[in-house]
Amino acid sequence: NAGVTQTPKFRVLKTGQSMTLLCAQDMNHEYMYWYRQDPGMGLRLIHYSVGEGTTAKGEVPDGYNVSRLKKQNFLLGLESAAPSQTSVYFCASSFVGSGGQFFGPGTRLTVL
Amino acid sequence: SQQGEEDPQALSIQEGENATMNCSYKTSINNLQWYRQNSGRGLVHLILIRSNEREKHSGRLRVTLDTSKKSSSLLITASRAADTASYFCATDQISSGSARQLTFGSGTQLTVLP
Repeated sequence: NAGVTQTPKFRVLKTGQSMTLLCAQDMNHEYMYWYRQDPGMGLRLIHYSVGEGTTAKGEVPDGYNVSRLKKQNFLLGLESAAPSQTSVYFCASSFVGSGGQFFGPGTRLTVL
Repeated sequence: SQQGEEDPQALSIQEGENATMNCSYKTSINNLQWYRQNSGRGLVHLILIRSNEREKHSGRLRVTLDTSKKSSSLLITASRAADTASYFCATDQISSGSARQLTFGSGTQLTVLP
């Protein structure tokens, strides 16, 4: 049982390049989330999904897109990376209803 | 905007001492959760307290919630060097509906000195 995994762990992009971050969970969770964490700050929600085929915007969605084609996977895309998107990205998942979220190990992204 | 704000931002104590961290929030909540983050790692869920609960225990952790003051505290008793980490409170706001979005505070960095 791997829990929540994220690919890749590190990535360096040039401004304007695109990339996709992959999140996978093997706990059959309905809800999945993408956050970013910047130095000295808590996590801010980018997008989330309450089930396969659904997505919704969080607090800071601009510049990102997401897809949830399979229940176990949640993809985060950057179409045209900007230096302001340099951050650590965390994926999380949870059961339906109240309860804690399970987090992946994070992806450290640098945009030059 | 940050819903939860932790206090203090940093805390340094000796091994064996107790550590208390506080969290304040602004809007009505379904529950409040505490997470731990070790350096360079993901967050780990520690404990959840519902809006109709006032106190909850889990091992060396004790969480209190005062909804009238919109505040919570996390007490770690008999601290160990392994407790060194950042601690975040997160609120599940009533306004988020069934999506169960969490809003995180900026965290307290706890250092436990051996």
